[in-house]
Amino acid sequence: EAQVTQNPRYLITVTGKKLTVTCSQNMNHEYMSWYRQDPGLGLRQIYYSMNVEVTDKGDVPEGYKVSRKEKRNFPLILESPSPNQTSLYFCASSLTRTGRPQHFGDGTRLSIL
Amino acid sequence: QQPVQSPQAVILREGEDAVINCSSSKALYSVHWYRQKHGEAPVFLMILLKGGEQKGHDKISASFNEKKQQSSLYLTASQLSYSGTYFCGTEVGAGANNLFFGTGTRLTVIP
Repeated sequence: EAQVTQNPRYLITVTGKKLTVTCSQNMNHEYMSWYRQDPGLGLRQIYYSMNVEVTDKGDVPEGYKVSRKEKRNFPLILESPSPNQTSLYFCASSLTRTGRPQHFGDGTRLSIL
Repeated sequence: QQPVQSPQAVILREGEDAVINCSSSKALYSVHWYRQKHGEAPVFLMILLKGGEQKGHDKISASFNEKKQQSSLYLTASQLSYSGTYFCGTEVGAGANNLFFGTGTRLTVIP
C-alpha cells in the first residue's frame, strides 16, 4: 500500500529536549516536505527536499533541521524545542516538485511544555 | 504568496450546494484542492493546471479561470461525508519549490 508514515503520532516533551520526527514513504517519490498546521493559519511549509542530499527552507524553518540521506526518509529534527513549536506536523511526498498531488502522512501532534 | 480562500466556514443541509473560492494576486502554475477531516491528514481531491480548465468526479468539481488567478471548488447535492475543511494549495511557477496553502474553509453538512 502506498503511504507516508510518520512517527510518533503524539509526543509531549519539555523545552530544550532534542527530538526527531521520522517520515518514510514507499512510493519512490523525489519530493518530500514538512508542514506545520496551526489554527487559522493553514498549512505552512517548514522544509522541503527535491532529492537525496538536496534540502531547502520553506516559509517557517527557524528552529528546525532536516536531512535526506535516503530517498524514502526525511526526518524532522528539533534541536532545542520551544513552546511555540507546539503544533500538528505533517510530512508529505510527491512524485515531482510541481504539478503532482501531495501525499500526506497521518500527522504528529507535538506538545512542548 | 498565500492564496486567499473564502468563505471561512459554511453550514449546509444535506442536498444543498456550496462553492469555495481560492484567489491569488498573481497568475498561478497550478491549483490543488484537498479535504481534511478532523484529526486526519489532508487528502488530495484534484489538481488544475490549465486556464479555463474544469474537472471533477462524482459531485465535486473545480474550475480554474482563464487568467489562472482564481479557482473554485463546487460541491453539489452535498452529503454528510463532505464535511471537513477544504484547502486550496497553489504553485506559483513550474520552477517553484513550494505549495502555498490557503487557511481553509470549514464545511459542515447537517441532516
